[in-house]
Amino acid sequence: NAGVTQTPKFQVLKTGQSMTLQCAQDMNHNSMYWYRQDPGMGLRLIYYSASEGTTDKGEVPNGYNVSRLNKREFSLRLESAAPSQTSVYFCASSESWAGVPYGYTFGSGTRLTVV
Amino acid sequence: RKEVEQDPGPFNVPEGATVAFNCTYSNSASQSFFWYRQDCRKEPKLLMSVYSSGNEDGRFTAQLNRASQYISLLIRDSKLSDSATYLCVVQQSSGDKLTFGTGTRLAVRP
Repeated sequence: NAGVTQTPKFQVLKTGQSMTLQCAQDMNHNSMYWYRQDPGMGLRLIYYSASEGTTDKGEVPNGYNVSRLNKREFSLRLESAAPSQTSVYFCASSESWAGVPYGYTFGSGTRLTVV
Repeated sequence: RKEVEQDPGPFNVPEGATVAFNCTYSNSASQSFFWYRQDCRKEPKLLMSVYSSGNEDGRFTAQLNRASQYISLLIRDSKLSDSATYLCVVQQSSGDKLTFGTGTRLAVRP
């Protein structure tokens, strides 16, 4: 099925370890996003990429890096994981017309625990 | 003040009830508005866009009041399957970024 694919679905890291969350979309969307979701905080934007080759910081970028490898793929890297990064991470993609987004398509999420 | 504010609920209603959720946004220049639905431990999914003239999709009606800067979602004849968290979403300005509210939880009981 067309959509957004995230891997892995679950991950446990020790403090200080690094890892990369992978995201790929097959809808030919220009824009891609990484969000984290914490109880009572809602979805908060970490980084986004408006088009291939560009990335920008969102609301909570500290401790993360991203790579827009090509139009399909947008990865999120934690260089040195901290317990505060325990969260559910969602990747999303979108297309727009005249600057109005059609709405996001989300991946199924990655549940990350840092111990 | 948060950019998008919602009553977290939970709203606990019987099947067949009508329930309404409100959401306020702080940026008067906001351009586009949406309601998303998120089931427990699942990703958010687009429920409907919200237009100035109001719009309806089956049992769901969305309204936008730009003067008061609030958005509403009305669900009629609630079903057990409507139990979920409903996220109010606002596009702050031109570009694709969306800002999400923290969500309102709905529980429909038999």
